[in-house]
Amino acid sequence: DAGVTQSPTHLIKTRGQQVTLRCSPKSGHDTVSWYQQALGQGPQFIFQYYEEEERQRGNFPDRFSGHQFPNYSSELNVNALLLGDSALYLCASSLFDRGLSGRYFGPGTRLTVT
Amino acid sequence: DAKTTQPPSMDCAEGRAANLPCNHSTISGNEYVYWYRQIHSQGPQYIIHGLKNNETNEMASLIITEDRKSSTLILPHATLRDTAVYYCIVRVGIGGSNYKLTFGKGTLLTVNP
Repeated sequence: DAGVTQSPTHLIKTRGQQVTLRCSPKSGHDTVSWYQQALGQGPQFIFQYYEEEERQRGNFPDRFSGHQFPNYSSELNVNALLLGDSALYLCASSLFDRGLSGRYFGPGTRLTVT
Repeated sequence: DAKTTQPPSMDCAEGRAANLPCNHSTISGNEYVYWYRQIHSQGPQYIIHGLKNNETNEMASLIITEDRKSSTLILPHATLRDTAVYYCIVRVGIGGSNYKLTFGKGTLLTVNP
């Protein structure tokens, strides 16, 4: 079992550009959540996808959008990048009917905006 | 969600028990205490959770005070690989994946040889 995988590992973008990050959940999982982790801070919840719909959203602007595919994989899109978007982006997968103990996180994508 | 307070950092000698405290004085009766940890350059990893009884698994023990206003995560024999940021999270319920995790800054535990 490969666990949660994310791509790319690292990414450098320029202000104003758009970026797409990808996540493949752990085998058997149907729910994907995305988190942003700035340097020295804990992860902050962005949104969660289940059954290809956004189910819950944190305090992030509309520049942050996502998608879940029929195979449960997910994408995080960020438009009009700002310097403050530089962070580690984490994907977590789980089964929808499991609790918080059933969350598995990927290694993250390190995004640098210059 | 109830807020949690953790010390920013702690040290522990390898082979000794590491006791990580967490205050959650505003916890509600239906809120659980969860512990996650994040090793450098990795995603967070679930450790343990509990409601009011002490819990133990292969990774750690969780001691929750009788008034549930604080808890302690115990790593019985810390190793260098336990060096990580430990997060204490308080959240309603255990069922349903539609509960988000709210992380604070956590405690950086450094295990020294």
